[in-house]
Order: sequence, then C-alpha cells, then structure tokens
Amino acid sequence: GAVVSQHPSRVICKSGTSVKIECRSLDFQATTMFWYRQFPKQSLMLMATSNEGSKATYEQGVEKDKFLINHASLTLSTLTVTSAHPEDSSFYICSASWRGGPFQETQYFGPGTRLLVL
Amino acid sequence: GEDVEQSLFLSVREGDSSVINCTYTDSSSTYLYWYKQEPGAGLQLLTYIFSNMDMKQDQRLTVLLNKKDKHLSLRIADTQTGDSAIYFCAEVGGSQGNLIFGKGTKLSVKP
Repeated sequence: GAVVSQHPSRVICKSGTSVKIECRSLDFQATTMFWYRQFPKQSLMLMATSNEGSKATYEQGVEKDKFLINHASLTLSTLTVTSAHPEDSSFYICSASWRGGPFQETQYFGPGTRLLVL
Repeated sequence: GEDVEQSLFLSVREGDSSVINCTYTDSSSTYLYWYKQEPGAGLQLLTYIFSNMDMKQDQRLTVLLNKKDKHLSLRIADTQTGDSAIYFCAEVGGSQGNLIFGKGTKLSVKP
C-alpha cells in the first residue's frame, strides 16, 4: 500500500517552455503533499508543501511564480516549472502523507521526475 | 535549525554486515526514517523507528536509536549486491512537518 506515482518520469524541454509534473497517491488520500528537489549527489531539499484545497507554502528562496503548485484533490498535486531554464534541470520528487492512523508523519515518495532543460 | 549528518561512503564485501550511522538534532521528532535510493530512482521507505524505541528489527535490517546521543544506525545483515544504493536518514522537522534529510550514505557492495 501507500503508492505514489509521478508523471512524467523524464522530460527534456527547451529553455523558456513550461513543464508540468503530476504527483498522484494511488491507494490513499493524501492530505499533504511535499515537493522536493535533488541536485546530483546531494540530499533532497524541500521546495514547498501543499495541502488539499489551500495554497502551497513555499520554502525560503523558492520562487512561487516560477514553481506553480496545485493540489486540486486528495490524490493529485501538480508542479509546473514555468519558463524553465537550464539551471532548473534537476530531479524533482514528490511525497505524500495523510492524517490519521498511527503513521501520520510517514511520507511516501514518488519515483521522481528528471527534468533536463536545454 | 534541524540538521541530519551521515557519513558519505561505505564499502563492504558481499555477505558482510553494513552499518550506516546518522546523527540528528531535533529531539522532538516522533519518528526517524531510513530511505533507500537506487540510481536514477526515487526514494523507497526502508524502515522507520518510533522515538520511544531503542531497537527495531525487520528481516535483515536492524535500526538502533540512542536518543541521548541523538544517534541512529541502520544495520544490514548479509549485505547483497542489490543493497548497493544511497541510504538517507531523515527526521521530521521544519514548520510544515516535512522530512529533513541527511546527505545520504552511498553503500557499495563488492562481490
């Protein structure tokens, strides 16, 4: 149980275009979804937290107008990288958790999306 | 702020035990986690331990928690080549209840 999917798994785009990444919880209702970014050989850094039906909370230094997050339902959150540039190339990973039950703090991760901006 | 530290590399021979160590700073973290990341893939939850436990065993995995020293370790018995990956220790922290990760320990298993 607790499966999280991401789509696409890999995307290559031209500089200046926008890319949308989807994160879905397949067998549970995710009250909270997190978006992380991972640069090569580094740890994950939190970009933003989204709760269903409310605006995302962004970490310091993350531009909310550049990384648009929508958490429209309890099973879907999207991250749109607008006007992507080569420095946005990275591995983007989402995770999902839910309230209630004994493991409410546990986050389950998607497989990640590798973005390459040319 | 919260911080999680891990050694960056560990190399063992197939069949030996591996011990990956981690220190953390936030003593209020209810759970502590170990995640595994294979090359080019996302994170897989390996195991977790509740903060009022000292030890948790799950098949080949043993987690030891020393709350006094804020030290967490993951022992993998009979390490196999398929265990080669990066292992992340994580605690719950931050204002949003997000996970704070260590930089990851790259485990290399030699045949």
